[in-house]
Amino acid sequence: AQSVSQHNHHVILSEAASLELGCNYSYGGTVNLFWYVQYPGQHLQLLLKYFSGDPLVKGIKGFEAEFIKSKFSFNLRKPSVQWSDTAEYFCAVNSPNNAGNMLTFGGGTRLMVKP
Amino acid sequence: DSGVTQTPKHLITATGQRVTLRCSPRSGDLSVYWYQQSLDQGLQFLIQYYNGEERAKGNILERFSAQQFPDLHSELNLSSLELGDSALYFCASSGGSLGTSTDTQYFGPGTRLTVL
Repeated sequence: AQSVSQHNHHVILSEAASLELGCNYSYGGTVNLFWYVQYPGQHLQLLLKYFSGDPLVKGIKGFEAEFIKSKFSFNLRKPSVQWSDTAEYFCAVNSPNNAGNMLTFGGGTRLMVKP
Repeated sequence: DSGVTQTPKHLITATGQRVTLRCSPRSGDLSVYWYQQSLDQGLQFLIQYYNGEERAKGNILERFSAQQFPDLHSELNLSSLELGDSALYFCASSGGSLGTSTDTQYFGPGTRLTVL
């Protein structure tokens, strides 16, 4: 079974600070990796995804993530956060080895950016 | 707006009751997914339907059932409700020809269920 850990539950940053949110997964096979964001009062939106190829993936709004297979990690980064990045961020994983397309989510990280 | 709609937005009911949550996928999407988000369990996958057929099943309770209709909308039925069923229930949809793992899921705004 797959599992996803997000070790930072709450992060508070000032505007222009750099961001790195940790995500580790547990699964021995091939995985697809995702980061979703949930802005206050809104639905979950996809930030970026990794299926294969270049382990450094770029997403929307200046976010990027790096897949490090040896560490089972897929950390999310942004060089300079803005107040509008205040949201909850979820890492998720699925596997092409499984039937269907069930996503396994981490517990989420609440990011607050102070103006 | 993701294009996925869910009704109702809020639902308050009593223990032992039965409710139905409705989801309309994005136009053309064949797969519908249901997730439950609660404080103690986080975001958990419940079930996936692809073009009317069950495709994948997660930790969905026997008291819960779902179906996808010919027009591709889906309903999640929750019965014999307990206090612990209070949660946000999300529906998502994806396109793709097979409903497989590389399909991006687009989430609806959720239905907040409160069981008193």
